[in-house]
Amino acid sequence: DTAVSQTPKYLVTQMGNDKSIKCEQNLGHDTMYWYKQDSKKFLKIMFSYNNKELIINETVPNRFSPKSPDKAHLNLHINSLELGDSAVYFCASSIAGASYEQYFGPGTRLTVT
Amino acid sequence: GEDVEQSLFLSVREGDSSVINCTYTDSSSTYLYWYKQEPGAGLQLLTYIFSNMDMKQDQRLTVLLNKKDKHLSLRIADTQTGDSAIYFCAERAGRRALTFGSGTRLQVQP
Repeated sequence: DTAVSQTPKYLVTQMGNDKSIKCEQNLGHDTMYWYKQDSKKFLKIMFSYNNKELIINETVPNRFSPKSPDKAHLNLHINSLELGDSAVYFCASSIAGASYEQYFGPGTRLTVT
Repeated sequence: GEDVEQSLFLSVREGDSSVINCTYTDSSSTYLYWYKQEPGAGLQLLTYIFSNMDMKQDQRLTVLLNKKDKHLSLRIADTQTGDSAIYFCAERAGRRALTFGSGTRLQVQP
């Protein structure tokens, strides 16, 4: 009964490839996020979706495209992977409003070679 | 833009108190958070404080907020080896997403 799950946990791929990371939450939340954590542990918001609609889109290359088929899922597709994309990607979810507590998934470690 | 800063490293002895500090720049921050990240794991919300509060206590955790100085601290009483982790301070204003600090690595010596 994992609250926020991500697949895969590890992803190793070559430059130029296209890959997807999946995220699912079973908390009934209406808002989902993608964060990128670099090698220095710095954590930065990439995207946020509320009820399947994009509400935050930080300065992220358009090679990154989030897709939300329903409120419980937010997938991240990355085209033409580059070395600098290597990082840990975290999915999170919350309800809008109130204390806005965000619950994080376990992370997907992406390594681009 | 918003900025959140933390010291990178803190080492304490088991049983001592740990104090992790954080400063932020956005005066319109409404909520401030402390998250814990253990090796290879995601972020776990420890506690949060609303900006109109100056203190919140939750078991071994005490959060102090000095809104005038934009300073937030997390005190962990009776620190245990299981508390070794990276602690992230984060802030939010309105409907913006969270802005995280760079994290403080807490090392607890037995």
